[in-house]
Amino acid sequence: AQKVTQAQTEISVVEKEDVTLDCVYETRDTTYYLFWYKQPPSGELVFLIRRNSFDEQNEISGRYSWNFQKSTSSFNFTITASQVVDSAVYFCALSEVYNAGNMLTFGGGTRLMVKP
Amino acid sequence: DTEVTQTPKHLVMGMTNKKSLKCEQHMGHRAMYWYKQKAKKPPELMFVYSYEKLSINESVPSRFSPECPNSSLLNLHLHALQPEDSALYLCASSLTSGASYEQYFGPGTRLTVT
Repeated sequence: AQKVTQAQTEISVVEKEDVTLDCVYETRDTTYYLFWYKQPPSGELVFLIRRNSFDEQNEISGRYSWNFQKSTSSFNFTITASQVVDSAVYFCALSEVYNAGNMLTFGGGTRLMVKP
Repeated sequence: DTEVTQTPKHLVMGMTNKKSLKCEQHMGHRAMYWYKQKAKKPPELMFVYSYEKLSINESVPSRFSPECPNSSLLNLHLHALQPEDSALYLCASSLTSGASYEQYFGPGTRLTVT
């Protein structure tokens, strides 16, 4: 059975610090997809990135970067030069290709607080 | 346009009331989802509709009744709810229900059952 673990429940940083959110997953499938979502206080989950299991290239998008390491089953998310607007709960999620209905397995979430 | 809209934003209902939550998307997506999220927890999947047909029901009590009148609209009918059903109800959609497709979420309806 699949499982996603986000060991950090809460992280607090001061603005402009770099911060890394950890995500470790378990799956028996060879084909799967990993996602990161951001949930600000308003409640809506915002899609940030999708990565498939065959693409281990790291990705950078502005201040955001993602490090996918299949060998350690990790898909970590780094925010560089954090800003107050980055304060939110961040969820890592896994979807297996043989799952019917695109069922996402979510991690427990990491609450990031960026203080001015 | 990657917008999923949900109405109402907030709903307070008594245990004997009947109410409905509405979700709409105009992205041409053919899969739509209902999730329930309790405070400080991740979203929990309730239902999946694929091409307007219910494909997954995650053992949700019958007091929650989903409906997909067309490919853009998803409703959740509520009847005889319990206080423990108070939560944020999120709707999402994706191109299809294949695993590779990211889901786009609406802002949610915050439901309080009194």
